[in-house]
Amino acid sequence: DAKTTQPPSMDCAEGRAANLPCNHSTISGNEYVYWYRQIHSQGPQYIIHGLKNNETNEMASLIITEDRKSSTLILPHATLRDTAVYYCIVRVREYGNKLVFGAGTILRVKS
Amino acid sequence: DTEVTQTPKHLVMGMTNKKSLKCEQHMGHRAMYWYKQKAKKPPELMFVYSYEKLSINESVPSRFSPECPNSSLLNLHLHALQPEDSALYLCASSPLGQGLEAFFGQGTRLTVV
Repeated sequence: DAKTTQPPSMDCAEGRAANLPCNHSTISGNEYVYWYRQIHSQGPQYIIHGLKNNETNEMASLIITEDRKSSTLILPHATLRDTAVYYCIVRVREYGNKLVFGAGTILRVKS
Repeated sequence: DTEVTQTPKHLVMGMTNKKSLKCEQHMGHRAMYWYKQKAKKPPELMFVYSYEKLSINESVPSRFSPECPNSSLLNLHLHALQPEDSALYLCASSPLGQGLEAFFGQGTRLTVV
């Protein structure tokens, strides 16, 4: 499985865009990039996933570089409620496959 | 209904006790997961069930025994646990025909005394 590298922590001002990077230089052609977050004392929450095209949903945007070796999760207007641990996961998109969490990035949104 | 419900929310058990954690979803998901999470650490995968059959066991000690009696229910039976097994136990499920877009429950906070 491809390894991911994320900064341990980041700060963001409320109302500004939060850009969370993830490096996955050993990603294979059939592996997707998934993002989850975990707000304190809650279960993880799925955010978004992508293969090679940029993706957007109501929560966030995912930008994947052309060589697919890195990606960025963008929260366009961060709020205090976005303070959480954000996990970048690279996996083959196979039903019932392992979903394995790395250390993640602690995002602190400050007023 | 887009929820994964875990019961109980909190559990304290002695090392000689037998207890069970329960996880329920009514979304028609056919992949279900158990995770263990220690404080300030990421969730660790324990088991994966796919179509009610155990498909992945991450070398979990036998004092943890999973069971999937039907497509909506996932149990984790606990016996002779150690204090270091105290953790948040999370259940998740994934929709049919999709990959790893999983829904998680809020977890059971287990304390072994």
